[in-house]
Amino acid sequence: NAGVTQTPKFRILKIGQSMTLQCTQDMNHNYMYWYRQDPGMGLKLIYYSVGAGITDKGEVPNGYNVSRSTTEDFPLRLELAAPSQTSVYFCASGGMIAPNEQFFGPGTRLTVL
Amino acid sequence: GENVEQHPSTLSVQEGDSAVIKCTYSDSASNYFPWYKQELGKGPQLIIDIRSNVGEKKDQRIAVTLNKTAKHFSLHITETQPEDSAVYFCAASDRATSYGKLTFGQGTILTVHP
Repeated sequence: NAGVTQTPKFRILKIGQSMTLQCTQDMNHNYMYWYRQDPGMGLKLIYYSVGAGITDKGEVPNGYNVSRSTTEDFPLRLELAAPSQTSVYFCASGGMIAPNEQFFGPGTRLTVL
Repeated sequence: GENVEQHPSTLSVQEGDSAVIKCTYSDSASNYFPWYKQELGKGPQLIIDIRSNVGEKKDQRIAVTLNKTAKHFSLHITETQPEDSAVYFCAASDRATSYGKLTFGQGTILTVHP
C-alpha cells in the first residue's frame, strides 16, 4: 500500500498561471480532503469529498476547484494563481467507518511569484 | 463553527523530560480529538486520539486527557527522546455530523535536546 500520494512535491508558479495538484489513495477510502498549511496557522480545510461525484467546500475554498470522478483520485485545481496561495498543500483520506481518522500525503509545496 | 486553540507554539525540553501540549475547543458538539505528529518535510501522522466518552488514553510514552466540562484536552509525552522532535497538531471533530472534517490547532514545535 502506497497510502496517499501527491504530485508534484514542489512547484513555482507565476501570478495568473493555473495548475492541478494530484492526489491518489489506494486504501479504497470514501472520504478525501484538501488542506493548506501556512506557517503558524495549522491546517485549513479547502475542499472535501464524501465519495465519487460528491464534493463540498471547506473553510477556505476561494480560488480553488476540485473534482472526484473516481474513488482513488481527488485533484485540486488552482485557477489564476495568486501570491496568497503560496502554501503547503496536503491531501488526506479517511475510511467510511471513521473518516475523522485521516491519512495524509507528503504534501506539495507551492510558491506563487 | 469550531475553533481550536493550541499552546504553547514552541516547546523545548531536555531528553528524558516530559512534554505537555494543551488545546481548547469551542463547540460542545465535538466528540473526537486526534493528535497528529508532523516530521520535517512530511505529512501529519495520527499518533493518538480520544473520544468524548473517555477521560484518558495511553499508548506507551504518550497519553491524552480530555476534560469535556472545561472543553480542553492535552497531549503528554513522557521520557522524551530526540526523535520526538516534530510539530504536533491537535484537532477536534463531531464524528456524527462533520463528514470527517477536522478543525486543527495552530501547532506546537517540540524540540528535544540530547
